[in-house]
Amino acid sequence: AQTVTQSQPEMSVQEAETVTLSCTYDTSESNYYLFWYKQPPSRQMILVIRQEAYKQQNATENRFSVNFQKAAKSFSLKISDSQLGDTAMYFCAFIKRDNFNKFYFGSGTKLNVKP
Amino acid sequence: DSGVTQTPKHLITATGQRVTLRCSPRSGDLSVYWYQQSLDQGLQFLIQYYNGEERAKGNILERFSAQQFPDLHSELNLSSLELGDSALYFCASSRGLAGGPETQYFGPGTRLLVL
Repeated sequence: AQTVTQSQPEMSVQEAETVTLSCTYDTSESNYYLFWYKQPPSRQMILVIRQEAYKQQNATENRFSVNFQKAAKSFSLKISDSQLGDTAMYFCAFIKRDNFNKFYFGSGTKLNVKP
Repeated sequence: DSGVTQTPKHLITATGQRVTLRCSPRSGDLSVYWYQQSLDQGLQFLIQYYNGEERAKGNILERFSAQQFPDLHSELNLSSLELGDSALYFCASSRGLAGGPETQYFGPGTRLLVL
């Protein structure tokens, strides 16, 4: 079975600073994707970043980057120059290569960006 | 805007009633997924459809059912509603290409309140 663990229920960061959200996962698969989704107070689920397991290079999207450690099964999200609009719930998700494409979500980390 | 639409945005009903939630996937997407998010909880996968056929089932109650129509829109039917069914229901879609995995794009959700 696949599991995704986010060990930080809530975090705070000052505006303009950098914060890292942790995610670990457990799988016996070798081909899979990992995602970070953001859920702001509007409750919309917004894709932040995606990482393919076969790619060694860490994915980057503007101020968002990941540290993907495949051997350690770790997938952390770094947010640089934090902005007030980054305040949201962040979910780590895992999807494996099969016919079902079912997401396995972590329990989420609530990030508060303080002015 | 993800391109996935869901109606209605809000729904208030009474216990014992039946409701239908509607989802239109992104243009060209063949797969539709339904998720339930209870208050302050993560997302629970309910069911997946691919090109009109049920592909995978998750934690979906027998009182709930879904279908995907020839035009690829999907409906989630919730019957004999209970207070605990109050939640945010998300629809997501993906291309459905063979060999996955794929990014899923989420709709804005339908907020259901059962009184």
